[in-house]
Amino acid sequence: EPEVTQTPSHQVTQMGQEVILRCVPISNHLYFYWYRQILGQKVEFLVSFYNNEISEKSEIFDDQFSVERPDGSNFTLKIRSTKLEDSAMYFCASSGGVLQNTEAFFGQGTRLTVV
Amino acid sequence: DAKTTQPTSMDCAEGRAANLPCNHSTISGNEYVYWYRQIHSQGPQYIIHGLKNNETNEMASLIITEDRKSSTLILPHATLRDTAVYYCIVRLSVTGNQFYFGTGTSLTVIP
Repeated sequence: EPEVTQTPSHQVTQMGQEVILRCVPISNHLYFYWYRQILGQKVEFLVSFYNNEISEKSEIFDDQFSVERPDGSNFTLKIRSTKLEDSAMYFCASSGGVLQNTEAFFGQGTRLTVV
Repeated sequence: DAKTTQPTSMDCAEGRAANLPCNHSTISGNEYVYWYRQIHSQGPQYIIHGLKNNETNEMASLIITEDRKSSTLILPHATLRDTAVYYCIVRLSVTGNQFYFGTGTSLTVIP
């Protein structure tokens, strides 16, 4: 069964460093997302991406964050200068269409720990 | 903000049906109801979704009331592996396309 894969599963970084979280969406999907979940809190929407551009972003997704689809398979989330409060699980998701009647499938996440 | 209301927690005996309710009284005519679950800190797992008709798949059944103001997710024979947080989600908009996760229902399946 096709699945969304994320690497690495766990990333430890020092405060102020740049990190890139990687995702391989399901191959024929068109819509891509990043979500995050701080320990013990809700799953929060960060950004959605379609047709090589951001289609929607939340207040959390500030100038420190960026997304890119560098080739036909990868979808990345970059945090330019990490802060302690960026420590969280980051989930990538993809869906096959843009309609409301299309489910999204999530990866298993990358646990980011900023020290 | 969330457009759904769910109980904070529920228990279910192993082998019995788990019925998870959700209220979405302000749902609009073209908004779908989705159910996801999250086991421990894993990625959310898609379960089922529907508009107004009842739906069934290999994982669960979704019963939506005629007025669409509430729904129930049914896991017909709960197992210990079904212990998870279950999220009822109303898709917020057509163009936005995001899923808004509330606090969900923490289901514990008891042996």
